[in-house]
Amino acid sequence: QVQLVQSGAEVKKPGASVKVSCKASGDTFSSYSFSWVRQAPGQGLEWMGRIIPILTLANYAQKFQDRVTITADKSTGTAYMELSSLRSEDTAVYYCARGPPPQGYSGMDVWGQGTMVTVSS
Amino acid sequence: EIVLTQSPGTLSLSPGERATLSCRASHSLRSRYLAWYQQKPGQAPRLLIYGTSSRATGIPDRFSGSGSGTDFTLTISRLEPEDFAVYYCQQYGTSPTWTFGQGTKVEIK
Repeated sequence: QVQLVQSGAEVKKPGASVKVSCKASGDTFSSYSFSWVRQAPGQGLEWMGRIIPILTLANYAQKFQDRVTITADKSTGTAYMELSSLRSEDTAVYYCARGPPPQGYSGMDVWGQGTMVTVSS
Repeated sequence: EIVLTQSPGTLSLSPGERATLSCRASHSLRSRYLAWYQQKPGQAPRLLIYGTSSRATGIPDRFSGSGSGTDFTLTISRLEPEDFAVYYCQQYGTSPTWTFGQGTKVEIK
């Protein structure tokens, strides 16, 4: 049974960066894609980007293109999301989710527990 | 970017009733790449439907998905108490960037 375990809550000042980790267990890491999705308080889901570890390929939503970097460490089965130049509007719960492998269409079927990132001076 | 518009914003129904949720895309989607998720307060989203109409593992058959092109539907045949939640559609694979709809809240009438 695959699980995604994310790192703990963060409090950051405006202008700083945050890096959130997502460790996969129990299944083949590199075969799938891993997305990052955020949810501001009381708001909907917002897809930020994804990585396909086996291809070392990442792509991002245009909104975050200049500020987000998604990476993966195949040796530890861990995906990372780093968001820079933080502002108050980045206060949100950040989720990682396992997506389909290349050419697959199975949706995002496993989710992490979420990491609360608070940006405040 | 493909925009997904869900309607209605809120659906007020009673247990046992049928729920019909709509998701309209700004561009035609490849049907294999449309999913629905359920989210309850304080929880991560849960995959219900992928590929427009395939139920995810463990999802009861009262949930069904249909549609093609730009119009997609999630139907809950008979609402159970645990089905009152927020539902999101998502497109993935039609374009390199994926997007979610804004969500439909199904609340108890």
